[in-house]
Amino acid sequence: AQSVTQLGSHVSVSEGALVLLRCNYSSSVPPYLFWYVQYPNQGLQLLLKYTSAATLVKGINGFEAEFKKSETSFHLTKPSAHMSDAAEYFCAVRETSGSRLTFGEGTQLTVNP
Amino acid sequence: EAGVAQSPRYKIIEKRQSVAFWCNPISGHATLYWYQQILGQGPKLLIQFQNNGVVDDSQLPKDRFSAERLKGVDSTLKIQPAKLEDSAVYLCASSLEAGRNQPQHFGDGTRLSIL
Repeated sequence: AQSVTQLGSHVSVSEGALVLLRCNYSSSVPPYLFWYVQYPNQGLQLLLKYTSAATLVKGINGFEAEFKKSETSFHLTKPSAHMSDAAEYFCAVRETSGSRLTFGEGTQLTVNP
Repeated sequence: EAGVAQSPRYKIIEKRQSVAFWCNPISGHATLYWYQQILGQGPKLLIQFQNNGVVDDSQLPKDRFSAERLKGVDSTLKIQPAKLEDSAVYLCASSLEAGRNQPQHFGDGTRLSIL
């Protein structure tokens, strides 16, 4: 079965600093990869997705992620953090058969003023 | 467009009681998912419906959990009897179809606490 590993359950950055959230996947075939954001007491909102087209994917709210097959990674970045970016972020991989999403454990992002 | 609607938002019950959650997906979405999200973890798929048929229920604890999607629209997830380890947020999601690149749209969830 495919899986994702998110390195760092908590990441803290200063407002205006670079945001880097790490995600590594395990898959024997090219996967479909997703990043979701979850604000307190809310459901998950799709930030961006990789579906084997361009390796650099741009999403909402200024986030982007780069698919690197050689490193089996799909790290999420944002050049300048805003206070409103504080939330939990989940990386997910879609199975090669069916449409089940397998989520990582999540990374809680804190943005300090 | 209206999002995925879930109710109730919060539920507190005692162990061994039963509970039911309701989900109304986005209009026209054929695929519906129920996830369990335990505190500090990512969501885990419990069951997936395509219209009113079950596509994947391999991770559903069938001795106590059941779900249905009558008429291929609304869905209900039931737990009977509840155990302490069922304390979690139950998320419903829907997608237009079951294709690999179809995004899933999530509701705000039902937070279940078992006493």
